[in-house]
Amino acid sequence: EPEVTQTPSHQVTQMGQEVILRCVPISNHLYFYWYRQILGQKVEFLVSFYNNEISEKSEIFDDQFSVERPDGSNFTLKIRSTKLEDSAMYFCASSPGTGGTYEQYFGPGTRLTVT
Amino acid sequence: GNSVTQMEGPVTLSEEAFLTINCTYTATGYPSLFWYVQYPGEGLQLLLKATKADDKGSNKGFEATYRKETTSFHLEKGSVQVSDSAVYFCAQDSSYKLIFGSGTRLLVRP
Repeated sequence: EPEVTQTPSHQVTQMGQEVILRCVPISNHLYFYWYRQILGQKVEFLVSFYNNEISEKSEIFDDQFSVERPDGSNFTLKIRSTKLEDSAMYFCASSPGTGGTYEQYFGPGTRLTVT
Repeated sequence: GNSVTQMEGPVTLSEEAFLTINCTYTATGYPSLFWYVQYPGEGLQLLLKATKADDKGSNKGFEATYRKETTSFHLEKGSVQVSDSAVYFCAQDSSYKLIFGSGTRLLVRP
C-alpha cells in the first residue's frame, strides 16, 4: 500500500541553524501539507500546498518557514533559523484531492530537536 | 472559528470494556469528520471518517456517527484490547486543512 515517507526520522540542530525536512507524498496525490506536534500537545496545521503554490498557511508559518516541491516527488519544509520553540514532531501529509476525497495520509514524522 | 473539543484523558479501561471517547465540533457548514490514532512512537493513522450527517464510519471494531444536531462524532468500541492503547485524535476538515482536537490517551490494562 502506498505511503508517505519522511526523512530524517530525527534531526538535532543548534539554534540559528537552517534545517530541511523532507517528505515523499503518495505519488498520485495533489495536495500536500505540513503539521507539527509539540511534545504532548495537539497537532497543528502549518501549511498546505497545491499546484506548486501555498494554498493556505497558519500564523505559525512565518517568514522563517518555506516549502518547496523541487521535483516531481519530494516536498520539503525549510526552517531558516531555528529557535528552541521549533522543537517538535513535524508531520507531512498528502491527499488525493479528487472525486471529493480530501482525507489526508500522514507520514511517520520527523522529530526536530533544537539545542 | 472552527474547532474540535475532545474529552480529557487519560482513559484507563480493562480489556474487553466498552469505550467511548467524546468529540464535539464547531464549524460553519458541514465538514468531514475523522478519527486518527497515534500508537506510541508512531505517526498518525486514519482510523475512520464520515463525510455527511448521519454517516457512520467504522474500522477495526471502532465506530463513530456524524451527529449534526449535537455537533458530535463520538468514538466507540464494544470491547477494547491491550493493543488499542494509543492516543486518539478527532479532527474536522476545514478548507482542505485538518483541525485536530487535543487528543485522548487510552490505556487498556490486561
